[in-house]
Amino acid sequence: SQQGEEDPQALSIQEGENATMNCSYKTSINNLQWYRQNSGRGLVHLILIRSNEREKHSGRLRVTLDTSKKSSSLLITASRAADTASYFCATGGKTSYDKVIFGPGTSLSVIP
Amino acid sequence: SQTIHQWPATLVQPVGSPLSLECTVEGTSNPNLYWYRQAAGRGLQLLFYSVGIGQISSEVPQNLSASRPQDRQFILSSKKLLLSDSGFYLCAWSSLAGGETQYFGPGTRLLVL
Repeated sequence: SQQGEEDPQALSIQEGENATMNCSYKTSINNLQWYRQNSGRGLVHLILIRSNEREKHSGRLRVTLDTSKKSSSLLITASRAADTASYFCATGGKTSYDKVIFGPGTSLSVIP
Repeated sequence: SQTIHQWPATLVQPVGSPLSLECTVEGTSNPNLYWYRQAAGRGLQLLFYSVGIGQISSEVPQNLSASRPQDRQFILSSKKLLLSDSGFYLCAWSSLAGGETQYFGPGTRLLVL
């Protein structure tokens, strides 16, 4: 089954730096999504990129998708302390019967 | 706008006791509903999903069950809790079946002692 695997597992950067997180998956997908989770809270959807798209932007977020390598990256530019959270990629399958599969996440710490 | 509610926010239960967690969605009709469990510092494990009233699909065999008595109500239950049931339980909804965007509730932290 398709599965997102993020790396690194943990990332610590200084405020103002860019943060890059990667996600790899195993099977064909319809879309790939990135979610954010603050400690002890629910997940918040950040961005969805479809399999026929290569790059997508939303504010300080930039997501790329390479279906030939079965990988995606999430770039957060000019990071802020408030960006400290866990970030999950999730893959959506090809059919309506497929569920969204979440990876284990990357824990991002932005140091003021 | 759509909102999703979960309660309680935290719960401490003894081993062997029953469980009932409730999730309700407002502002949408016929949502797809999901229950996930998240162990500390880990990803999400899909437990149950439902595409309609009374329609429940189980992803992982366990001592938990789910029910959907109304269109926008999803309940997670157990007759007898195990220590291993401790975790963070998240309810989510989506407007389309399949791998589309999901919207999460605030979660319930369950500690079984």
